[in-house]
Amino acid sequence: GAVVSQHPSRVICKSGTSVKIECRSLDFQATTMFWYRQFPKQSLMLMATSNEGSKATYEQGVEKDKFLINHASLTLSTLTVTSAHPEDSSFYICSAQRDREFANYGYTFGSGTRLTVV
Amino acid sequence: QKEVEQDPGPLSVPEGAIVSLNCTYSNSAFQYFMWYRQYSRKGPELLMYTYSSGNKEDGRFTAQVDKSSKYISLFIRDSQPSDSATYLCAMCAGNTGKLIFGQGTTLQVKP
Repeated sequence: GAVVSQHPSRVICKSGTSVKIECRSLDFQATTMFWYRQFPKQSLMLMATSNEGSKATYEQGVEKDKFLINHASLTLSTLTVTSAHPEDSSFYICSAQRDREFANYGYTFGSGTRLTVV
Repeated sequence: QKEVEQDPGPLSVPEGAIVSLNCTYSNSAFQYFMWYRQYSRKGPELLMYTYSSGNKEDGRFTAQVDKSSKYISLFIRDSQPSDSATYLCAMCAGNTGKLIFGQGTTLQVKP
């Protein structure tokens, strides 16, 4: 089955530093990857949609200069949280769309990254 | 009003019980309906996927979609303690590929 690897699983960083999170599709090519944020006991909130080779599309209210997304290849997308602050502490999850016909595959999610900014 | 409404629970049932989880939605453009299971501090795992209205069964799990009522359900038969998790419904219109999630229902199955 489709596997999406997300790394790191946990990261603690100091306020003001930047953190990069990687999302890789291991056995398929992902034309589109999505980045979500999840606060405790809340649902997943879509942050941005990332298409290979083009600029990401950000949801309303998400600062594109703060959350930099790069989708350089069909198997890798990265999310960089720049100048992180404690309020950025959250669970970040990526998902990959296997191909245009997600009717058969749905989406595969990574295992998530717990970011704690101190 | 949220596009997708889901009772967060928690829902506690004894082992072996039939569990019913539900979501309502307001966007009539939704065509794809999914149920995900999420364990604590893990990414969601796709359980069931349904296109348009109808039922779909997979082992102990049955998903139902009633587009006329904008209501979807997930039934778990013979529930097990290992089913204890948060269950998220998700929907997509298809043209954007964007999933809209419910808040998730926390389920606890007691031995």
